[in-house]
Amino acid sequence: SYVLTQPPSVSVAPGQTARITCGGHDIGGKSVHWYQQTPGQAPVLVVHSDSDRPSGIPDRFSGSNSGNTATLTISRVEAGDEADYYCQVWESGSDHYVFGTATKVTVL
Amino acid sequence: EVLLEQSGAEVKKPGESLKISCKGSGYSFNNYWIGWVRQMPGKGLEWMGIIYPDVSKTTYSPSFQGQVTISVDKSIDTAYLQWSSLKASDTAIYYCARRGGGSRSYFPFWGQGTLVTVSS
Repeated sequence: SYVLTQPPSVSVAPGQTARITCGGHDIGGKSVHWYQQTPGQAPVLVVHSDSDRPSGIPDRFSGSNSGNTATLTISRVEAGDEADYYCQVWESGSDHYVFGTATKVTVL
Repeated sequence: EVLLEQSGAEVKKPGESLKISCKGSGYSFNNYWIGWVRQMPGKGLEWMGIIYPDVSKTTYSPSFQGQVTISVDKSIDTAYLQWSSLKASDTAIYYCARRGGGSRSYFPFWGQGTLVTVSS
């Protein structure tokens, strides 16, 4: 089955930029979605279809996808961005959904 | 407003059966896929399976095939996740999530989660 690999943790100072990667074989050919989960809360979609933002998500959140790596970028990081982040894809061939291994973003 | 309201926390013993629910409102329930996602304590999100309510078409993750059953009751806009014989390792938070429409393969809407604790 398809595997999505994320770094376990990313640390960033307030106001700086955090980049979270999601690696998968030829992931550039798939549509990648990103979720933010804070403790005790359900996940929230922050980027879909590689780089689109749902309404209400700040433009500080952006995404890209090419080759074997998709990236979620959080610009001008704030304390409230501290959370776990997951990438997700849909495998059309098997009709299965896959989540990445999660990245914990710590704001220093 | 799209809402997914999940049933309350459960405490069960190993070997017992369980059915938890997810009621959709604010949209046409029959026409959107609803998935179930497991989150074990301190762990990540795992996709379990998904159902299309209108025709009850269901797809399961290989990891969960045969371990759980996903169903719907269209008359009350509710999806279910059930176990026939729980194990301690089923202890987790279970989320339902509604997929986007059409070809949108992401989940914009999530329930609040149901905590299932299995302990003797």
